[in-house]
Amino acid sequence: NAGVTQTPKFQVLKTGQSMTLQCAQDMNHEYMSWYRQDPGMGLRLIHYSVGAGITDQGEVPNGYNVSRSTTEDFPLRLLSAAPSQTSVYFCASSYATGTGVDFGQGTRLTVV
Amino acid sequence: GENVEQHPSTLSVQEGDSAVIKCTYSDSASNYFPWYKQELGKRPQLIIDIRSNVGEKKDQRIAVTLNKTAKHFSLHITETQPEDSAVYFCAATPKAAGNKLTFGGGTRVLVKP
Repeated sequence: NAGVTQTPKFQVLKTGQSMTLQCAQDMNHEYMSWYRQDPGMGLRLIHYSVGAGITDQGEVPNGYNVSRSTTEDFPLRLLSAAPSQTSVYFCASSYATGTGVDFGQGTRLTVV
Repeated sequence: GENVEQHPSTLSVQEGDSAVIKCTYSDSASNYFPWYKQELGKRPQLIIDIRSNVGEKKDQRIAVTLNKTAKHFSLHITETQPEDSAVYFCAATPKAAGNKLTFGGGTRVLVKP
């Protein structure tokens, strides 16, 4: 199994541009989520999904959209990039509640 | 929602000594508490977890304790080694929350040889 795969690993955007961060898992996990990691602030939940067709907001959802059309994929869309969205983004998945999540390798995003 | 506080933010220990990281949580419904280790430039990796029906769990040199009454849990690393140097994160989630983890701010551990 490849586990959780994120693309791209690095990205530089200009303010106002849009883009999609890709996340795919091959473990048949129902639960998927997106976190952002900023220095000194741990990881904060952006959006999550408990199964195909079901998504919900996390702690910091503004400026981001998600969809879950398949069990495997959970893309994160930045609608209009802002410098405040400069961060490292991690996608994660798990097979059940109350279990550890597996993280992807992360995407380092810089918005200039 | 849940709020998790983690202390200290940095911890420097001599190789062979013990390290203790403490976290407090606010939501009494939280019942799953994982700990993650993140090396520089890498993804967080689960190292140990504990559920609310257990007070203590041990795995070789690491152990986690949970006090539900006081709403705090701790990570203990014994006989620290240089490879234990990393950032450690605690987290909490209620089972009914669909694995929405709330993380603490992290502890940077430096083990000095």
